[in-house]
Amino acid sequence: DAKTTQPNSMESNEEEPVHLPCNHSTISGTDYIHWYRQLPSQGPEYVIHGLTSNVNNRMASLAIAEDRKSSTLILHRATLRDAAVYYCIPTFESGNTPLVFGKGTRLSVIA
Amino acid sequence: EAGVAQSPRYKIIEKRQSVAFWCNPISGHATLYWYQQILGQGPKLLIQFQNNGVVDDSQLPKDRFSAERLKGVDSTLKIQPAKLEDSAVYLCASSLVGLHTDTQYFGPGTRLTVL
Repeated sequence: DAKTTQPNSMESNEEEPVHLPCNHSTISGTDYIHWYRQLPSQGPEYVIHGLTSNVNNRMASLAIAEDRKSSTLILHRATLRDAAVYYCIPTFESGNTPLVFGKGTRLSVIA
Repeated sequence: EAGVAQSPRYKIIEKRQSVAFWCNPISGHATLYWYQQILGQGPKLLIQFQNNGVVDDSQLPKDRFSAERLKGVDSTLKIQPAKLEDSAVYLCASSLVGLHTDTQYFGPGTRLTVL
């Protein structure tokens, strides 16, 4: 399994952009990079995923390095509701597809 | 679209008692997962079903935990007998077909406290 490294915590001001980094240097060519987040007292929720090129959706953007050894989740304007633990999770092609969660990054948003 | 439903939301039991959790996945989702999340940690897979068959139960403590998914829809997870270290949030998730590109949708979880 690809291993990931994320900062334990980050802080952002409300309405400012947030860049959440993730290192996944052991990722292989067919591994996708998924981001999930977990708000307090809730189950994780999907944010975004990608393979090689940058991806955008209504929640966030995902910038993937050219060598795919790292990626950055971008929240364009942080709100208080974005305060959560963010998990970067490579998923690999196999018969079993559970998500392997690390410790994630706890994002605090200051009003 | 209705999300993943779980019940109960909270359960408090004494050690050595038994407990059961129920999960109703999103309609049409073939793959169902049970995760255990201990306070301060990320969720950890306990068991994965594909329709009504078990795909991966390698991390399920089979001496006390059991799970089934009858008719490939709802699922129950049981603990008997419970230990103090089983105190955790039990999360159910489902995905459409179980591919590594699929999105997993999580329920709100059941918070278990073992006294």
